[in-house]
Amino acid sequence: QVQLQASGPGVVKPSETLSLTCTVSSGSINSYYWSWIRQPAGKGLEWIGRIYSSGSTNSNPSLKSRVAMSVDTSKNQFSLKLRSVTAADTAVYYCARSSVGSTSSFDFWGQGTLVTVSS
Amino acid sequence: DLQMTQSPSAMSASVGDRVTVTCRASQAINNYLAWFQQRPGEVPKRLIYAASSLQSGVPSRFSGSGSGTEFTLTISSLQPEDFATYYCLQYYSDPWTFGQGTKVEI
Repeated sequence: QVQLQASGPGVVKPSETLSLTCTVSSGSINSYYWSWIRQPAGKGLEWIGRIYSSGSTNSNPSLKSRVAMSVDTSKNQFSLKLRSVTAADTAVYYCARSSVGSTSSFDFWGQGTLVTVSS
Repeated sequence: DLQMTQSPSAMSASVGDRVTVTCRASQAINNYLAWFQQRPGEVPKRLIYAASSLQSGVPSRFSGSGSGTEFTLTISSLQPEDFATYYCLQYYSDPWTFGQGTKVEI
């Protein structure tokens, strides 16, 4: 079945850019939506945004001005960049898959990667 | 944004209990509602999608119901491995939003 693996630096300095990549294996990245979701320690889940395999994106208005996403179908990877980070961006970041319609939502998730914003 | 309100925020239960968690949407979302289980230190796992469809491999003691603005997750007979936090998710409109979670404790 599909597997997702998020990777990236575990520590990012305040005001810098957080960069994460999610690699999709045992399945194609094509024809699906790929999302980023985050969870601060001890708190709930927040959807950051999604990218389709074609490259079209949607993101949460609460983060939209700081978020950029991209996809590399040749590598079966998609990426997140979050600019101007602060301590409030410290969280476990998950990547996940969804499709379209009422049967959608997040059926496969990556294991999550902890990103700490600290100088 | 469409708000999802879960109740209760936390609850104590015993093995064998019937457990019900409710999620209310601030506006109608048809059946675009999913439920996730998250055990401590683990990745969220989808249990239910389209409000009432059981994810493949999920035990049949889990069920979902509802449509419009009110939805329910029911665990018919709580098992030790079910002690976890449960989240609802609306995927009817952007931004997709989760409920705040319901922690089911012993």
